[in-house]
Amino acid sequence: AQSVTQLDSHVSVSEGTPVLLRCNYSSSYSPSLFWYVQHPNKGLQLLLKYTSAATLVKGINGFEAEFKKSETSFHLTKPSAHMSDAAEYFCVVSSPSGGYNKLIFGAGTRLAVHP
Amino acid sequence: DVKVTQSSRYLVKRTGEKVFLECVQDMDHENMFWYRQDPGLGLRLIYFSYDVKMKEKGDIPEGYSVSREKKERFSLILESASTNQTSMYLCASSSVYRDRDYGYTFGSGTRLTVV
Repeated sequence: AQSVTQLDSHVSVSEGTPVLLRCNYSSSYSPSLFWYVQHPNKGLQLLLKYTSAATLVKGINGFEAEFKKSETSFHLTKPSAHMSDAAEYFCVVSSPSGGYNKLIFGAGTRLAVHP
Repeated sequence: DVKVTQSSRYLVKRTGEKVFLECVQDMDHENMFWYRQDPGLGLRLIYFSYDVKMKEKGDIPEGYSVSREKKERFSLILESASTNQTSMYLCASSSVYRDRDYGYTFGSGTRLTVV
């Protein structure tokens, strides 16, 4: 069965410093992996996706993630945090289920960015 | 851009009321989903639909039902609202042919409070 574990429920960084949000997955076959972001009182927005192409995936707003099969990880990074990055981030694995791909969500990581 | 619209941003209902949450998407997507989002639990799938008049139970269907009479509209029904159904409800849609690569598109959510 597929599952996702986000290793930190809260992460706090200073503006201009690097961001690292950690995610480990469990999958019995080659997964599709996503990171979504949710700003306060907003819906979820797709940041980036991995679908068995390049292992280093670039997303919107300067975020990127690296798929590491040996470590079953898909950590999200950004070189320099901006105040507008404060939000909740979800790591998601896609699991084929009949005629659709079921999304399995991690519990989320809340990112705080301080001046 | 795909748009998923949820009819209400905030709702307050009384215990025992029948509650309807409406969701409309404008990109002719086959699949539609209802999730609830609770702190520390991420998103959990309530029901999904892969075609008009078709529905499948998700992970937490108890106390809910759904209706999909038209392809663009997917309604979540709380037959008799209870306080433990106080939550954020998110609707999503996806294409059968593209969701492995593009994930889902989410609405902005309905925050339901049952008093």
